[in-house]
Amino acid sequence: IAGITQAPTSQILAAGRRMTLRCTQDMRHNAMYWYRQDLGLGLRLIHYSNTAGTTGKGEVPDGYSVSRANTDDFPLTLASAVPSQTSVYFCASSDSGEDLYGYTFGSGTRLTVV
Amino acid sequence: LAKTTQPISMDSYEGQEVNITCSHNNIATNDYITWYQQFPSQGPRFIIQGYKTKVTNEVASLFIPADRKSSTLSLPRVSLSDTAVYYCLVGDGRVVWAAGNNRKLIWGLGTSLAVNP
Repeated sequence: IAGITQAPTSQILAAGRRMTLRCTQDMRHNAMYWYRQDLGLGLRLIHYSNTAGTTGKGEVPDGYSVSRANTDDFPLTLASAVPSQTSVYFCASSDSGEDLYGYTFGSGTRLTVV
Repeated sequence: LAKTTQPISMDSYEGQEVNITCSHNNIATNDYITWYQQFPSQGPRFIIQGYKTKVTNEVASLFIPADRKSSTLSLPRVSLSDTAVYYCLVGDGRVVWAAGNNRKLIWGLGTSLAVNP
């Protein structure tokens, strides 16, 4: 089934540790995004990539980094996790950055930093 | 920035038609209106998108008046499985992330729809 695969599904992480959230899509979409969703704050964009080889900062990029070595993969790295990064993280993609057909989201990674 | 306003929550019963209205007074000429559905522990799912007048698909209808300052998502004959959060978004994704461009899609908190037996 075409879509986005995120891993892990959930994780408990000690503060100060490094972690990479994985995201892979098989739809050959050019644009990919990382969002975090927090109760009362909704979905907020962390980083985006309009095409392989390029990335950009969203609304809340501090403490996170991304890379886009190829079309399919868009990992999100927390260099040194802090409790405020406890959240549900969603990876999404869209075709050519166009919104004409909307975003496709993964099922999310629930991260708890303790 | 194209901000949207929608009710925080709504209640309905199985078999009823549900209409969720979204206000977007400062919508721009190039903006499209898109609705998403999100179930607990899942990512949002695209439902429908439109620019003006009426759009219908197998899931819902989207009504957009001539001034485009609001839109209404219509869910016909809802069932318990339609209980979810519904988000209204306004934006032109083609220019959202261009260098130096400050436009962005604002998700908001959505409308939590509860369908009762």
